[in-house]
Amino acid sequence: ETGVTQTPRHLVMGMTNKKSLKCEQHLGHNAMYWYKQSAKKPLELMFVYNFKEQTENNSVPSRFSPECPNSSHLFLHLHTLQPEDSALYLCASSQETIGTDTQYFGPGTRLTVL
Amino acid sequence: RKEVEQDPGPFNVPEGATVAFNCTYSNSASQSFFWYRQDCRKEPKLLMSVYSSGNEDGRFTAQLNRASQYISLLIRDSKLSDSATYLCAVSYSGGYNKLIFGAGTRLAVHP
Repeated sequence: ETGVTQTPRHLVMGMTNKKSLKCEQHLGHNAMYWYKQSAKKPLELMFVYNFKEQTENNSVPSRFSPECPNSSHLFLHLHTLQPEDSALYLCASSQETIGTDTQYFGPGTRLTVL
Repeated sequence: RKEVEQDPGPFNVPEGATVAFNCTYSNSASQSFFWYRQDCRKEPKLLMSVYSSGNEDGRFTAQLNRASQYISLLIRDSKLSDSATYLCAVSYSGGYNKLIFGAGTRLAVHP
């Protein structure tokens, strides 16, 4: 395993629900990322955190709210989502945010919005 | 034009075949290049980084052509277990590690 865990692995929620995705990395990395992977589309970077500070918000709607309490944990808070937000949400980590640093992915949370 | 483009495939090849994938990128400032493998309903896993001089890891060879802005992945002696989607990814220099992924090329190796 890559040392990046995500919970839950599957989530079904209604459009009015509030839920949170959790990511934890056990690799001693300083950078963490959220990606969205929709069917037949490339992975899309959503957020980047480096040393707990958000360094990138890739024009993500405010119904997605990230939280990074420390370098090992990353959350994605979800509220009032739309059916088109159904996708695989992947967390990744790397040593730092240098371009040559390898990113290691968690297993993902498969989200279905009804 | 997409930042990173790949032929979606699928590439259907028999065991033992040699298969090659290309990936083109649009931003000439791209600094680092990677091939990831993604099995069905699983997360992407790094297959190999791509260096300017080209690099080989067993049956896999990756090459970079900066002039034409593409990277390639060659798989020799294909195995059934090589069946997966292969994603190329590029990142830009400076700032932070923003990986741009292609949509992936699906490979199916059959007996």
